[in-house]
This record gives sequence, structure tokens and C-alpha cells, in this order.
Amino acid sequence: AQSVAQPEDQVNVAEGNPLTVKCTYSVSGNPYLFWYVQYPNRGLQFLLKYITGDNLVKGSYGFEAEFNKSQTSFHLKKLSALVSDSALYFCAVRDRENYGQNFVFGPGTRLSVLP
Amino acid sequence: EADIYQTPRYLVIGTGKKITLECSQTMGHDKMYWYQQDPGMELHLIHYSYGVNSTEKGDLSSESTVSRIRTEHFPLTLESARPSHTSQYLCAGSSYNSPLHFGNGTRLTVT
Repeated sequence: AQSVAQPEDQVNVAEGNPLTVKCTYSVSGNPYLFWYVQYPNRGLQFLLKYITGDNLVKGSYGFEAEFNKSQTSFHLKKLSALVSDSALYFCAVRDRENYGQNFVFGPGTRLSVLP
Repeated sequence: EADIYQTPRYLVIGTGKKITLECSQTMGHDKMYWYQQDPGMELHLIHYSYGVNSTEKGDLSSESTVSRIRTEHFPLTLESARPSHTSQYLCAGSSYNSPLHFGNGTRLTVT
């Protein structure tokens, strides 16, 4: 069975500091991993994905994520946080080879960037 | 820019009314999904479709129904709305090895 854990409900960082939002996953086959961001009263916006290849994936708005197969993790990072990054972040996974499976989402992590 | 379009964005309706939440897409996604999300909370998959004439129930039991008569259109219907249906409903689409693309959601309030 697939699952996604986001161990932190809330992450607080000061503007200009680096940020990390954690995600660990479990999937039967090879993972297809995603990060999404949600602003208030909006749908989820795609940030980045990992399918295969380079373990460091770069995405929108200066975000990147590092795939670590041995730790089954896909942590989201940014070198310098902005107040406008404050939002709800979701990690998601699917078995890469099994298109019939649905995506499984983590519970979300609320990021607050303090000025 | 969204290629998943949801209407209405906000809906306030009385108990017992029948409602249909519209979802349409322009990208030819074969799979489509409906998620229910209370504000700031996790997503719950309530329905999905592999393609035309395919509909499946998701992980969370829901009193709603869906139809997929055309690839582009995946409406969700509540025959008799109740206050417990108050939530945000998100429609999404995907194709092979593409990310999920979400609409902006419909926020439903049942009074």
C-alpha cells in the first residue's frame, strides 16, 4: 500500500532563512513523487516532480526537492524563504509504473514565513 | 493558469436542495478526480474516472455521484444537500506520467 507522511503540521521560518518541509513515502514499486502548494481559497498548484534521474529536482519559485531512495524521503527545500511562500504544502506519491493507481497525498504542512 | 475549470467558485444553498458542481478540462486528461477538503486540512478522494463512462468511488465515502459522458466534463451531484456536506470540492485531471492538475475548487456551504 502507498502512503505519505509529512511529520510536521507546521513549519515556521524567518524570511531570508533556508526552509525544509519534510516528506517520507512508502510505495510498492518505483516512486513518482510530487510537491504541491495551496494558497487560501485556491486549488493545489504543482511545484515539482521526481520521476527518475537526478536526485535533486528543481521546481517553481526557487523550490527544489531531494529524492533519497534509501531514506524513502523527498524533502522540499528553498535557500531563502519569502513571506509570500507562506502556504499549505502537500507531498504526493504514486507507483511510477502503475498508471492505474491513484495519487496518495500527505496530510499537508503549513509553512509560515515570518518577516 | 488552470486547465481545469470549476464552477461555481462559491455556493451557499439550503438543506435538501439538489446541486451539481461543474468541472471541465481542456487538456484531454483521461483520468479525472474529485477531492473533498475541509479548509486547511488533508485531501480526501471521493470519486475518480479512468475515461468516458468510467466512474469509481474513492477512499472516502460520499453521498455524491459523478458522471463522465464526455472526456471534458466530470460533474459532481448531491441529490439532497446537508450541512455535513459543507466543504471545499476540488476537481483534478491527469494523463499518463503527468502531474495532477487542479481546478480552483468550489466552496460549498449548506445552511
